[in-house]
Amino acid sequence: DQQVKQNSPSLSVQEGRISILNCDYTNSMFDYFLWYKKYPAEGPTFLISISSIKDKNEDGRFTVFLNKSAKHLSLHIVPSQPGDSAVYFCATTTSGTYKYIFGTGTRLKVLA
Amino acid sequence: SQTIHQWPATLVQPVGSPLSLECTVEGTSNPNLYWYRQAAGRGLQLLFYSIGIGQISSEVPQNLSASRPQDRQFILSSKKLLLSDSGFYLCAWKKGATNSPLHFGNGTRLTVT
Repeated sequence: DQQVKQNSPSLSVQEGRISILNCDYTNSMFDYFLWYKKYPAEGPTFLISISSIKDKNEDGRFTVFLNKSAKHLSLHIVPSQPGDSAVYFCATTTSGTYKYIFGTGTRLKVLA
Repeated sequence: SQTIHQWPATLVQPVGSPLSLECTVEGTSNPNLYWYRQAAGRGLQLLFYSIGIGQISSEVPQNLSASRPQDRQFILSSKKLLLSDSGFYLCAWKKGATNSPLHFGNGTRLTVT
């Protein structure tokens, strides 16, 4: 069973515009959420995280939004840059379990 | 600062051969350690995690095993590789006992022929 879903396998955005990446989860016990960026043949790089006690966290061009009632997480990148082109994974865990579960990823292409 | 080393970067092995992938972390103590696999076009699948020396939790009951002989060393093994074991293997660590990000190594591309 897929507990974390990224329903859009790919997304194309013009440089300078907003990129919105989405993630849905099924388990209401998840309480810590993360976004990672991955280039080919490299390990994922941590971008930003959010605890379930918050609904928004911002770090530079990256903002993560959490809607607990909808079990939905999103990552906004503003403005998008060509260097942002990569695969983005959402991930989540429940405190005390140590298990981090990842989504299937969304390939973002930022067009110059 | 903390660093994670994973080797080899690429590996081509015949079906039925053994496997040993090694991962070490520097600059921290008592980390939580993880092995993930990314199959072609797929997400990251959790294989094993460890919260201490000699302690291994398995998420995937296949022909893979993991060991943690030292605090900052994590080893992924197989006695006999299958074609389906091909993939991109990633080691990761995090600070223990907290909600904190996983930090990944650069991965090993394993091709079983």
